[in-house]
This record gives sequence, C-alpha cells and structure tokens, in this order.
Amino acid sequence: DGGITQSPKYLFRKEGQNVTLSCEQNLNHDAMYWYRQDPGQGLRLIYYSQIVNDFQKGDIAEGYSVSREKKESFPLTVTSAQKNPTAFYLCASSQSSGNTIYFGEGSWLTVV
Amino acid sequence: DAKTTQPPSMDCAEGRAANLPCNHSTISGNEYVYWYRQIHSQGPQYIIHGLKNNETNEMASLIITEDRKSSTLILPHATLRDTAVYYCIVRLASGGSYIPTFGRGTSLIVHP
Repeated sequence: DGGITQSPKYLFRKEGQNVTLSCEQNLNHDAMYWYRQDPGQGLRLIYYSQIVNDFQKGDIAEGYSVSREKKESFPLTVTSAQKNPTAFYLCASSQSSGNTIYFGEGSWLTVV
Repeated sequence: DAKTTQPPSMDCAEGRAANLPCNHSTISGNEYVYWYRQIHSQGPQYIIHGLKNNETNEMASLIITEDRKSSTLILPHATLRDTAVYYCIVRLASGGSYIPTFGRGTSLIVHP
C-alpha cells in the first residue's frame, strides 16, 4: 500500500546527541514536509522540500537539518543545538501542484 | 497569507450532527479550504476540501459561504470515534509554492 513511513515511532536521546528521524514515501510525491507538535499545540513547520536536492527552512528550522537526496526520502536530524527537542514530529508529503497532504504516523522524541 | 480562526473546543452528543466552524476572511480567490483531523498521537488525516461549492464525501460535508470568508465542516452523525482535533487550513503561497500551515484547530469531544 502507498503511504508515508516514519521511524522510529519512539526515540530517546541524551542531551548533546544528534538524532535522525527517517521519513520514506512511496506515493511518488514531489513535496515533503517536517512538522513539530508540542502537547496541546498545533503543527509548526520545520523544513520543506519541493524537489530533490532542494529544501527551505520553515518557521522553526533552528537546531534542525534535512537532506533530500532521493525523491522518496526526507530525513530530519535533530542536532544538539536544538534546545527543547522533546516533541512529536510529523512528516508529510504532497504533489507539488496537488491539493492533499498525507501524513505519517509520527515520531516521539524524548530527551533524557 | 490567508489565516483561519477556529473555536478551541466543542462538544457534541453521539448520533447528533457536529458543526465545526472556520473563519478565513482573507482567503484569496484561488485558495482552497481543507479540513483535517488528528486523533491523539497520530498523524492528521485528510477529511475534505473545497473551493467554492459545497462538498460531500463519505466522511463529512463542507459548506462554504458565498463570499468564501467562512466554512463549516459537518459530521452528520457523530460517533465517539470522531473525538479528535479538527484543523481548517487554506493553502498558503510562499515563494511560489503552497505551504500548508496548521493552527491549534478545534478539539471536538463526542460524548455518549
């Protein structure tokens, strides 16, 4: 079945460590997005990519990095520079000229 | 960029219609209104979208006012499983690309 796969579902990180969240889609979508969600809050855009080898910062990009080497993959690295990384992270994709966004099931990151 | 305003919370009795309002008074003529919902700790799920005309699918109905400044999502016979956060968004334009932005949405509680 087509969809978006995020892994891992749950991740624990020690302070000062970088961690990479995986996002893979087999929908043949050009655009991919990363959002962060804190408890009781809406989704905030971290990074987005409209095409392979190109990406732009969203509203809260500081402390995060991404790559888009393949159309189907858009991994997010949470670096040690991110001061409050504990959150729920959501990956999404859409056709560049299309209308609907599809989301993965999310990844919970906890800093211990 | 068009923004949306939704009530933070609503409740509804099981079996009754749930009517969720959204204000988007600055929407431009070629922007679509989308509705998503998010069940706790899951990725948001697409419900429905529209431009000018009312729309209906197997999940819900979308009523858009003639001036397009507001819309209402209708769940005709709400069930307990419809308890979720509902997001109304418009496609925003950023650098020539449409970037979906989510606010806090409306937390709908369906009670027995």
